[in-house]
Amino acid sequence: SQQGEEDPQALSIQEGENATMNCSYKTSINNLQWYRQNSGRGLVHLILIRSNEREKHSGRLRVTLDTSKKSSSLLITASRAADTASYFCGQGAQKLVFGQGTRLTINP
Amino acid sequence: DTGVSQDPRHKITKRGQNVTFRCDPISEHNRLYWYRQTLGQGPEFLTYFQNEAQLEKSRLLSDRFSAERPKGSFSTLEIQRTEQGDSAMYLCASSWSGQGFGEQYFGPGTRLTVT
Repeated sequence: SQQGEEDPQALSIQEGENATMNCSYKTSINNLQWYRQNSGRGLVHLILIRSNEREKHSGRLRVTLDTSKKSSSLLITASRAADTASYFCGQGAQKLVFGQGTRLTINP
Repeated sequence: DTGVSQDPRHKITKRGQNVTFRCDPISEHNRLYWYRQTLGQGPEFLTYFQNEAQLEKSRLLSDRFSAERPKGSFSTLEIQRTEQGDSAMYLCASSWSGQGFGEQYFGPGTRLTVT
């Protein structure tokens, strides 16, 4: 069984808008990693945020971590059609636990 | 750095047959992980190696599954007597232990279809 939850399960926005995805866990958060997956492909690593960090940026991506709420969010600013994919957060040390992901669709 | 590679990318087999998948990690990475992903779900952890030692196995890894990393470099995952429920994407990832448990980088996956 999977212990993480991504929210929303699906998100459809217009190109240029910002997209926010959330993930939450039932257990204490260790390191948390966000990934992107295009249909039928492997996972592409986006950002790792450690349990003692609160926010991290990479280009158009911003990740926040709230250990008290056991949750994290991924913000994609100025979305592009190429951002259409599923996004997963994986929590843990050697064993990453993933939720079902958020399917993001960017409409031109 | 050529990334994590997996072979084959696709495998179709008949129920009852054995299959073997290979994973080549990023060359300087000493940790290697196997995950399984079914349609519409996130990846689920199967097992991981540090160098050649298999340090953890999931309950998902039944006795029909065996993974090896004999020289601490590439790894193989074998499924014996395949069942239709084994149909999934099998993902390999690797990481470097130098900074604790850091980023895991995934390969393109091997998609298994059992008919």
